[in-house]
Amino acid sequence: DSGVTQTPKHLITATGQRVTLRCSPRSGDLSVYWYQQSLDQGLQFLIQYYNGEERAKGNILERFSAQQFPDLHSELNLSSLELGDSALYFCASSVGLAGSQDTQYFGPGTRLTVL
Amino acid sequence: QKEVEQDPGPLSVPEGAIVSLNCTYSNSAFQYFMWYRQYSRKGPELLMYTYSSGNKEDGRFTAQVDKSSKYISLFIRDSQPSDSATYLCAMSAGDWNRLAFGKGNQVVVIP
Repeated sequence: DSGVTQTPKHLITATGQRVTLRCSPRSGDLSVYWYQQSLDQGLQFLIQYYNGEERAKGNILERFSAQQFPDLHSELNLSSLELGDSALYFCASSVGLAGSQDTQYFGPGTRLTVL
Repeated sequence: QKEVEQDPGPLSVPEGAIVSLNCTYSNSAFQYFMWYRQYSRKGPELLMYTYSSGNKEDGRFTAQVDKSSKYISLFIRDSQPSDSATYLCAMSAGDWNRLAFGKGNQVVVIP
């Protein structure tokens, strides 16, 4: 168990809908990362937050947004869902020290199915 | 061209065999090279990392990096059924906050 929790485990929804995925980082970690994993694209970095502020952005669509709250949990919001958004969404956390080998610990993921 | 290429083909080996996995990359700024292991229905976990070129050994696992060829490898000796998982390579240019992952190789070790 990595110490990172994600809810829900599974989510089934319809095209055009909006969903929110939730992540609680390991105790003491200030950085939270979101990834999307699909069979054709592999694991893709979406966005990173550090202590409530956006730190790095990857291949995140405009329909997607995230935030990190004062208690350090994070939410990933996915809107106007398309079939191609079906994937595993992982949250990871790390201490967040810049310029160091800052290991990311991954949660168990949320499996999103868009019908 | 993707930054990191990993042939995602599955690999089945008998118990005790050597497993050989590799990735190529195009970004010469990459300095840290990692291997993650992902069990079914779990998140990836860091297996080992190497800085720059060279070899690193950890028990039955050996990671090799050849920066001149932009090629990294992971070897698993005396493979066990518990090694059955998907192995993903990942790379970073500096800070580990932006990792570029390969697609992963599913490895099945048959008892």
